[in-house]
Amino acid sequence: SQKIEQNSEALNIQEGKTATLTCNYTNYSPAYLQWYRQDPGRGPVFLLLIRENEKEKRKERLKVTFDTTLKQSLFHITASQPADSATYLCALGGSARQLTFGSGTQLTVLP
Amino acid sequence: ETGVTQTPRHLVMGMTNKKSLKCEQHLGHNAMYWYKQSAKKPLELMFVYNFKEQTENNSVPSRFSPECPNSSHLFLHLHTLQPEDSALYLCASSQESTGQGNQPQHFGDGTRLSIL
Repeated sequence: SQKIEQNSEALNIQEGKTATLTCNYTNYSPAYLQWYRQDPGRGPVFLLLIRENEKEKRKERLKVTFDTTLKQSLFHITASQPADSATYLCALGGSARQLTFGSGTQLTVLP
Repeated sequence: ETGVTQTPRHLVMGMTNKKSLKCEQHLGHNAMYWYKQSAKKPLELMFVYNFKEQTENNSVPSRFSPECPNSSHLFLHLHTLQPEDSALYLCASSQESTGQGNQPQHFGDGTRLSIL
C-alpha cells in the first residue's frame, strides 16, 4: 500500500538557520507533490507544488526538491524565523483528484 | 480569510444525535472535499465532489452522509456517531480541469467534533 513518511514528528532549529524537512514515499508514482503549512486550530495552507518532471521549485525563502529516483522531496526554509513555526505537510497526487497526505512535521524555530 | 468557511467551529454531540457540518467556498471552484484529521494521523480523504457530483467515497461509514446542493456549498450530515469519530473535519475546494487533479486545495479551518 502507499506510504508517506515525513521525518521526525518534531524538528527544532535556531532562528536564522535553514530548516530541512523530508518527505519519503513508497509504493507510489506521484505526478506531483504539494507542501502545506498548518497552524494550530487552522486548516492547511498551500505553499508549493512541484511536478514529477521538475527538480526544484522556489518561492521567496522556500525551496522544494523532488527526486523520483530516491522517492523523496526535501522542503527547505532559509533564514528561518519564529513565525515559521508550524506543522508542515507533504501531499502526493496523481491523475485523480485525490491527495495523499503525510502526517506532518512540527517545526519550531527558536529565537 | 481562506475563502472557505466552515460552521460550526466546534460541535459536541451525543452518539444518538443528528447534526450537520456546513462548508461554503467563495472562490468559484468546481471541486470540494471532506477530510478527517485525527491527532498524529495524516489527513484522511472522505468524499470528493466535482461539479456537484460525488466522484469519490473512500469507504466512509454510512453514518456520514455528504450533500452538495451546488458547487459552492457542501454539507456533512452526521448520525449515530461513535467516540472514534471525534476529530477535526476539514473542508477544501479546488479548481480542477481536464481530469488533472494537480491544483492546490484551499482549506477551511475545520469543525472540531467531539462525540460523548
